[in-house]
Amino acid sequence: GNSVTQMEGPVTLSEEAFLTINCTYTATGYPSLFWYVQYPGEGLQLLLKATKADDKGSNKGFEATYRKETTSFHLEKGSVQVSDSAVYFCALSDNQGAQKLVFGQGTRLTINP
Amino acid sequence: GAVVSQHPSRVICKSGTSVKIECRSLDFQATTMFWYRQFPKQSLMLMATSNEGSKATYEQGVEKDKFLINHASLTLSTLTVTSAHPEDSSFYICSARVLAATSSYNEQFFGPGTRLTVL
Repeated sequence: GNSVTQMEGPVTLSEEAFLTINCTYTATGYPSLFWYVQYPGEGLQLLLKATKADDKGSNKGFEATYRKETTSFHLEKGSVQVSDSAVYFCALSDNQGAQKLVFGQGTRLTINP
Repeated sequence: GAVVSQHPSRVICKSGTSVKIECRSLDFQATTMFWYRQFPKQSLMLMATSNEGSKATYEQGVEKDKFLINHASLTLSTLTVTSAHPEDSSFYICSARVLAATSSYNEQFFGPGTRLTVL
């Protein structure tokens, strides 16, 4: 079945550091890929998405490129801020039927001033 | 953006009692709602998919008689944990989605979650 594996946390960085959170997936067919963010006390929010190979999703300074050859969708940001502290989830949808999401285990990110 | 609410945000109950959790889409009509369960430091696991006016589709290993799902309207779905036991203690999250004919992917909007503790 489909699965998502992402970098274990927690990750702690200083403000303005470069961020990478690794995500790899296993899927049949051509899934869509997502990064969701969960701020403390809030629901998951879609951060960015990519629906086909070589697509780059971007939002709020975050980027991720759909790499079919390496089955990866790593999240990057050039300069993180304290407000980026949250839990980040990589996910995929197989685009079939109900378009169910399969999530990675989540990575808790803490940015120190 | 689309807002999904859940009520209650926290509930503590005694073993053997039943607990109902509500999921509402506040500013859109949701043709499909999903219920997830999240254990500490683990991922979200899909429990079931429900479409308005029809029976929910449960994932493998999820007891449909224990986790009753009702999606009676386009803005409300409920999850009832029947005869709850301590092992049912978890964080329950719902999401709601509207199908758009013009989109190949239809975004899910998530509620803030409900923390259930069974004593």
